[in-house]
Amino acid sequence: GNSVTQMEGPVTLSEEAFLTINCTYTATGYPSLFWYVQYPGEGLQLLLKATKADDKGSNKGFEATYRKETTSFHLEKGSVQVSDSAVYFCALSHSGTYKYIFGTGTRLKVLA
Amino acid sequence: EAGVTQFPSHSVIEKGQTVTLRCDPISGHDNLYWYRRVMGKEIKFLLHFVKESKQDESGMPNNRFLAERTGGTYSTLKVQPAELEDSGVYFCASSPTGSPANVLTFGAGSRLTVL
Repeated sequence: GNSVTQMEGPVTLSEEAFLTINCTYTATGYPSLFWYVQYPGEGLQLLLKATKADDKGSNKGFEATYRKETTSFHLEKGSVQVSDSAVYFCALSHSGTYKYIFGTGTRLKVLA
Repeated sequence: EAGVTQFPSHSVIEKGQTVTLRCDPISGHDNLYWYRRVMGKEIKFLLHFVKESKQDESGMPNNRFLAERTGGTYSTLKVQPAELEDSGVYFCASSPTGSPANVLTFGAGSRLTVL
């Protein structure tokens, strides 16, 4: 069946450090891949997405590349800020369906 | 544009009691979804409405959960009677028909604590 595996948190970094949050997936066919972020007290917000192999999604300095050969969609940011502290969720869905498969979420804490 | 609104933001009830969660989707969004995150676990799909009709309710855990969307606007999710394992955060999301790349807009969630 379809599944998403994320690295466990929490991840604690100093400001301006490099961030990687690993995400791998198991799925039939060619799903779309997403990163959602939940800031404290807010809803899940779409951070970035990729719909086909080798696509790179990017937003707010975050990037993730759809790697079909390694079934991965790792989230990266070159220099994190305190305001990036949040919970990050990797997810997949197949075209034509809105049933997302989420990972367990990774809490990121950035210290000044 | 107002986002997806959920309330209450947090509800604490005793085991055996009833709780009703409400979701107001973005105006004009025909599709409405409920998801749930049990503590530390992944967010799991519960069900999907298209207007007032249940399109897919395969994720509903058992018959103690009842979701409605009368008139195709807001939706309610009732848990009766609540059990300890129902504790978690219930997310609602909506999307217009034909949303590109299956993008959903989520609410802030309703945290349910069953004691």
